[in-house]
Amino acid sequence: DTGVSQDPRHKITKRGQNVTFRCDPISEHNRLYWYRQTLGQGPEFLTYFQNEAQLEKSRLLSDRFSAERPKGSFSTLEIQRTEQGDSAMYLCASSLGQEQYFGPGTRLTVT
Amino acid sequence: RKEVEQDPGPFNVPEGATVAFNCTYSNSASQSFFWYRQDCRKEPKLLMSVYSSGNEDGRFTAQLNRASQYISLLIRDSKLSDSATYLCVVIVSGGYNKLIFGAGTRLAVHP
Repeated sequence: DTGVSQDPRHKITKRGQNVTFRCDPISEHNRLYWYRQTLGQGPEFLTYFQNEAQLEKSRLLSDRFSAERPKGSFSTLEIQRTEQGDSAMYLCASSLGQEQYFGPGTRLTVT
Repeated sequence: RKEVEQDPGPFNVPEGATVAFNCTYSNSASQSFFWYRQDCRKEPKLLMSVYSSGNEDGRFTAQLNRASQYISLLIRDSKLSDSATYLCVVIVSGGYNKLIFGAGTRLAVHP
């Protein structure tokens, strides 16, 4: 399968724990995006990478969130000291142009 | 006010019906427009781009009215498999092509 992959698909964690998600984009895509989606809402933009450079971060991305894309390939999104409000689907997308291809998402539940 | 607004529905229609969804956007710098489809607990997938002249893809027709900042999607001859959430999406110029989603309109097609 040459699409966008994300790992893990599901994560249940206790409040206050740190979690890290991984996204592997389509191999030739230089653009990578992270979005967050809560129930009944559309996805909301979190951050954008062009190759290894993080060029934009949403105000939604508090100090507890950090994202990296070393070597411009896979990306990680870390949430420190998770809160119940962090429970959501975290989606990764990659692109060469305007069309973005989404991964299956990581569903985070914070208890 | 949300940047992209949609009627959440649900729209419950019988097979074979024609159904139309509307969407408005608030940022006049919006430059690109899309409809995405999202099945329950799955990732969004691009349904079609929306062009100023209007465009059609099989049973699906999309229209854009830049003056009114309004986008529409018409589905003819609805199939059971069309049941999903339809997300209206815009890209604002100068924003690294990040997607701005509406909350989505739910469609349920019944036999």
